[in-house]
Amino acid sequence: GAVVSQHPSWVICKSGTSVKIECRSLDFQATTMFWYRQFPKQSLMLMATSNEGSKATYEQGVEKDKFLINHASLTLSTLTVTSAHPEDSSFYICSARDRLYEQYFGPGTRLTVT
Amino acid sequence: GQNIDQPTEMTATEGAIVQINCTYQTSGFNGLFWYQQHAGEAPTFLSYNVLDGLEEKGRFSSFLSRSKGYSYLLLKELQMKDSASYLCAVRDRKDSSYKLIFGSGTRLLVRP
Repeated sequence: GAVVSQHPSWVICKSGTSVKIECRSLDFQATTMFWYRQFPKQSLMLMATSNEGSKATYEQGVEKDKFLINHASLTLSTLTVTSAHPEDSSFYICSARDRLYEQYFGPGTRLTVT
Repeated sequence: GQNIDQPTEMTATEGAIVQINCTYQTSGFNGLFWYQQHAGEAPTFLSYNVLDGLEEKGRFSSFLSRSKGYSYLLLKELQMKDSASYLCAVRDRKDSSYKLIFGSGTRLLVRP
């Protein structure tokens, strides 16, 4: 089956710094990737849709200048949390969609901002 | 916009059957998915319905009624390892994005 990886799997950073999370489709090309955020005991909240070679589409209420998304190739999308604060601590999950519109999830990245 | 509702928590006994309901409202319905998620892990795909009716896959079955905006996930012969959160998600084809929108999830506790 299709595999999606995320790196890092967990990260701890200091308040005010920036953190980059990578999402890769390992054995298929993904023109579209999605970024989700999940707080404890809550469901997945879609943050943005990332399209290869174009600007990401952000969901209402998500700050595009704080959560920078770059989808530079058909197998890689990155999410950069800029000037991170403790309230940004969360589980970030990406998913990649193949040409048949099947969506595959990465294992997630746990971000802790101290 | 979209609105997806599920019960917050459910409890069931090992060996029993449990039904988790999901109601939804969306303008661009393009399929309904059920995922299982254990704490700290990514969601795992369980089932997919795009047409009305029942889809059976081993101990898990999922039902869809598009006219009622309703789906359920049926788990049979419950095992302790089935204790997890179950997420109902609707695929929305609005703006050709085909994005998945998740419900709030149902935490299922299976007791001996």
